[in-house]
Amino acid sequence: DAKTTQPTSMDCAEGRAANLPCNHSTISGNEYVYWYRQIHSQGPQYIIHGLKNNETNEMASLIITEDRKSSTLILPHATLRDTAVYYCIVRVGYGGSQGNLIFGKGTKLSVKP
Amino acid sequence: SAVISQKPSRDICQRGTSLTIQCQVDSQVTMMFWYRQQPGQSLTLIATANQGSEATYESGFVIDKFPISRPNLTFSTLTVSNMSPEDSSIYLCSASRGQGVYEQYFGPGTRLTVT
Repeated sequence: DAKTTQPTSMDCAEGRAANLPCNHSTISGNEYVYWYRQIHSQGPQYIIHGLKNNETNEMASLIITEDRKSSTLILPHATLRDTAVYYCIVRVGYGGSQGNLIFGKGTKLSVKP
Repeated sequence: SAVISQKPSRDICQRGTSLTIQCQVDSQVTMMFWYRQQPGQSLTLIATANQGSEATYESGFVIDKFPISRPNLTFSTLTVSNMSPEDSSIYLCSASRGQGVYEQYFGPGTRLTVT
C-alpha cells in the first residue's frame, strides 16, 4: 500500500513559488519524509528530507505539519528547468528493507512561461 | 555526492537473449540498488546488490531472471535474462553511502527495448 498521496499534476508560473503537497497520514515516529524529482529522461535526483522540523537547502524548503501527517515541498522561484515528476517518499531512518526508497506515482509539475 | 555511470545507455535486443548492464560509482558506497521503470510508470525496486553476497530481491523479481553481481564497493552489474518484449524498460542503478537516512544517488538509466 502507498504510504503517501500526492496530486497527479500541478502547474506553476515561472518565477513563482511552487508548493507541492504530500499526505502521509500513517507515518510513524521513526519515518522520514524524502523528496526526489525526476526530470524527463534522467535518473531521480535527491532534493531534501526531514523528520519533524522544517528544512531548507539550496534547492527547496520542506514544511512538515506538527502532527507530521502532511508536508509541502516549496520551490521558491520555479524555473522551466524545474519541470519534472516530484516524488514524496516516507522511509525509516535505519537500514534493512524498510529503509529502501519506494517510489509512488508522484506529482508531475509543469512550470509555464 | 556520488556520480554514477551506466553502460550501455540504451540497447535494442532480440527476445530470448540476455543483456548485462554495468553500473560504476566514482567512489566507494555501502549500498547499491537496481530499479526498473516501465514506460510511463514510476520506479520499482528490483533488488539490493550486496557486496560479497547474493543480492536481496523484492517480491516479484527472481535471481534467475535478474542475476546481479557486486564484486566491490564501486561496481555492480544487472543481467536481464531470456528477454521478452515485457522487459522493455529503463533500468536504473542507485547507490548510497550508508543505510537509512543517507541520500541515494541515481544513474542516468539504461533504456532497453526488446523486439
